[in-house]
Amino acid sequence: AQKITQTQPGMFVQEKEAVTLDCTYDTSDPSYGLFWYKQPSSGEMIFLIYQGSYDQQNATEGRYSLNFQKARKSANLVISASQLGDSAMYFCAMREYAYSGAGSYQLTFGKGTKLSVIP
Amino acid sequence: EAEVAQSPRYKITEKSQAVAFWCDPISGHATLYWYRQILGQGPELLVQFQDESVVDDSQLPKDRFSAERLKGVDSTLKIQPAELGDSAMYLCASSLEPPGANTEAFFGQGTRLTVV
Repeated sequence: AQKITQTQPGMFVQEKEAVTLDCTYDTSDPSYGLFWYKQPSSGEMIFLIYQGSYDQQNATEGRYSLNFQKARKSANLVISASQLGDSAMYFCAMREYAYSGAGSYQLTFGKGTKLSVIP
Repeated sequence: EAEVAQSPRYKITEKSQAVAFWCDPISGHATLYWYRQILGQGPELLVQFQDESVVDDSQLPKDRFSAERLKGVDSTLKIQPAELGDSAMYLCASSLEPPGANTEAFFGQGTRLTVV
């Protein structure tokens, strides 16, 4: 089963509008972390926002906010006031404890959503 | 600003040849990761180091891939022999501590490998 599911391969948004990128996750661990990364065409993964499984409030970082619905296992990214520079791939990722190898918290990524901002 | 350094940025190699990638993590970061990202997919963990020790290499194809971090600082990922299916972006990342649920990983710009 997929640990992280991003159902939108591609999204378009008008400049200055808000957009929501969907992410659902699957884990039975009570302690986990959810991350969103941005990957421009240049290739590097840029950290955007983090939500802990025990956090009561939704995370916010500037124009980015995370709509965390724990019971639904959903962690959608909301980008407000989209800018042309927001055009990129966006990846949702989860850290949970993995018992493979020596055991550690591993970061698992979804397949990503390609966001295109239209002028 | 400190960053994870990777080289080369791009590599084209012929099938059955050997190829190596280098990564220098952010200074002081004890945990180092190598990820492979096939075009159109998310990154997948190949190997994770804590200092010079391998913590997890369960997804590393050990018949052709090897990774080392001899002094617990920089790391090399090697493929020998390369196959067409190895064409991908190879991303290195590091984090300050042994990862917990909230540990952020910092990524390099990656090495884009094309096997012909």
